[in-house]
Amino acid sequence: KAGVTQTPRYLIKTRGQQVTLSCSPISGHRSVSWYQQTPGQGLQFLFEYFSETQRNKGNFPGRFSGRQFSNSRSEMNVSTLELGDSALYLCASSLAGTSGRGYEQYFGPGTRLTVT
Amino acid sequence: AQKVTQAQTEISVVEKEDVTLDCVYETRDTTYYLFWYKQPPSGELVFLIRRNSFDEQNEISGRYSWNFQKSTSSFNFTITASQVVDSAVYFCALSAPNFGNEKLTFGTGTRLTIIP
Repeated sequence: KAGVTQTPRYLIKTRGQQVTLSCSPISGHRSVSWYQQTPGQGLQFLFEYFSETQRNKGNFPGRFSGRQFSNSRSEMNVSTLELGDSALYLCASSLAGTSGRGYEQYFGPGTRLTVT
Repeated sequence: AQKVTQAQTEISVVEKEDVTLDCVYETRDTTYYLFWYKQPPSGELVFLIRRNSFDEQNEISGRYSWNFQKSTSSFNFTITASQVVDSAVYFCALSAPNFGNEKLTFGTGTRLTIIP
């Protein structure tokens, strides 16, 4: 079974631009979560999507948004990029449904975003 | 609020030595799940183990073992007979799913270096 895939793997953007990152979950996984990893803040939860609905959001400004499609693929968007948005953005998928059973999340290789 | 503490920032051991990575967590939820992930230099987070709050049995998988103690809110990870391939950053994480929300709260990670 193919793992979680993320595209692109690397991005360089300029301050003020916007960026869209894509994530394809493992087949059969309907929950997709996004995390930001930086040396200073570590791994921080951005948001989780299930059945095309955002059901949990981390403490990030509104410039960070996302969506999920009917095939469970997800995208996240960052508008008006700031230098501090430079990070590794990780997508994870799981079998989680509505039961709250703490399913393990499987992570993709990440997209490394550099803002200059 | 949930919190995961990994007090050991960096550990170096000589190959074939045993090493224990500490993890202490805080949560008010009675149902929660604990995880360990490995992040090799490639950057992808690799799932290692999941444990729910009602199962305090220790687990062994090859050279890896995990000790879960609710009394001390700890979920420690031991690698026996360490190998160079074990060099990575290891993260402990916690989730307390509610209505399916599967947010992972991560510790700051322990960088493990195995010296040949």
